Amino acid sequence: GAVVSQHPSRVICKSGTSVKIECRSLDFQATTMFWYRQFPKQSLMLMATSNEGSKATYEQGVEKDKFLINHASLTLSTLTVTSAHPEDSSFYICSASAGGGNQPQHFGDGTRLSIL
Amino acid sequence: AQKVTQAQTEISVVEKEDVTLDCVYETRDTTYYLFWYKQPPSGELVFLIRRNSFDEQNEISGRYSWNFQKSTSSFNFTITASQVVDSAVYFCALSGGYSGTYKYIFGTGTRLKVLA
Repeated sequence: GAVVSQHPSRVICKSGTSVKIECRSLDFQATTMFWYRQFPKQSLMLMATSNEGSKATYEQGVEKDKFLINHASLTLSTLTVTSAHPEDSSFYICSASAGGGNQPQHFGDGTRLSIL
Repeated sequence: AQKVTQAQTEISVVEKEDVTLDCVYETRDTTYYLFWYKQPPSGELVFLIRRNSFDEQNEISGRYSWNFQKSTSSFNFTITASQVVDSAVYFCALSGGYSGTYKYIFGTGTRLKVLA
């Protein structure tokens, strides 16, 4: 149980392209989804928290117009990197939680984004 | 402020050795949750364990065991008879009731290399 699917697993595209990453909870309802960014050999950096049906809460320093997050249902959240540039290249990981601090976050497999 | 410290950046052991990964945390919350995750080279984060602040029982799951000590604010993870498949980065995380979103505070991770 507690499976989170993230798609695509890898994206290579040209600078200026917008890229959409999907995160789905397959067997549970995720009241909260999180989006992280991870640089090589570093820890996960939280970008934003999204609750179903409401606007995402972004961490300090994360551009909300650059990283658009939509959490339209209890099983799907999307992250769109708009007009991506090489500095946006990174490993993006989503997680989903059924809610409450005692519920663990379950992570997707991550998306490796490479902007040429 | 909340903080998680994993002082061991990288550990190398020979197969079948026991290894302990340290995790020290700081929080002002009286109710909080601690987690361990494994990130193999493929990138996905695998949930290993959750511990509530009011439950100091140690836990054993196969070759894995966890030692939670509130007196020293530590939540250490021991792998007994390590195997090559245990090679991964291990993250300790703290979640509390602050801001109501139950965000994780991750440690910087410990890279474990198990040599055959």
